[in-house]
Amino acid sequence: EVQLVESGGGLVQPGGSLRLSCAASGFTFSRYWMSWVRQAPGKGLEWVANIKEDGSEEHFVDPLKGRFSISRDNAKNSLYLQMNSLRAEDTAVYYCARVGYVGNTHDYWGQGTLVTVSS
Amino acid sequence: QSVLTQPPSASGAPGQRVAISCSGSSSNLIRNTVNWYQQLPGTAPKLLIYSNNQRPSGVPDRFSGSKSGTSASLAISGLQSEDEADYYCAAWDDSLNGRYVFGTGTKVTVL
Repeated sequence: EVQLVESGGGLVQPGGSLRLSCAASGFTFSRYWMSWVRQAPGKGLEWVANIKEDGSEEHFVDPLKGRFSISRDNAKNSLYLQMNSLRAEDTAVYYCARVGYVGNTHDYWGQGTLVTVSS
Repeated sequence: QSVLTQPPSASGAPGQRVAISCSGSSSNLIRNTVNWYQQLPGTAPKLLIYSNNQRPSGVPDRFSGSKSGTSASLAISGLQSEDEADYYCAAWDDSLNGRYVFGTGTKVTVL
């Protein structure tokens, strides 16, 4: 059974940093692109970034370039999102999702981890 | 700001049919397939339709998708109370260098 479990969320002050993790199981993690998607309270879904199977390629939504970075450790079946210079508008539930082969779409999602940026 | 536009809400009585539109552009809906996600209250999104009109295993055939040009549509026939959720269209966008875009989302209410 495919499982994605996010962790690392919490309360952080504006300007602070946070590193989210996503532990994957039930599939060969190193063979799939992975994404982060976020959802601000009461708002819609926003794709944040994705990373290639071997970590050699990544893409970001433009506004977050330079502040956020994505990485993975295939030996640990883990995906990461490093978030720096956090702002109130980064407050959201952050989901990790697998990019499946069929339809090249996000076929499995984690339960999400809440990040709250507030003083 | 989303590049895929959906109506904010849709509703229908149990048993009725509801359709949700998704409007995009040549860089996303023309060049790539559309996917639909269902998000029940307080839960993570779930893949509902992929490659315009394909249902993952376990998704009832009451849900169907279509695409024509720069528009796509999700239809729910035989509406049930458990279909009350937010629905999002999404696609890869070639103008944004490998980025994925979601629609603005539609809240479906079962009357």
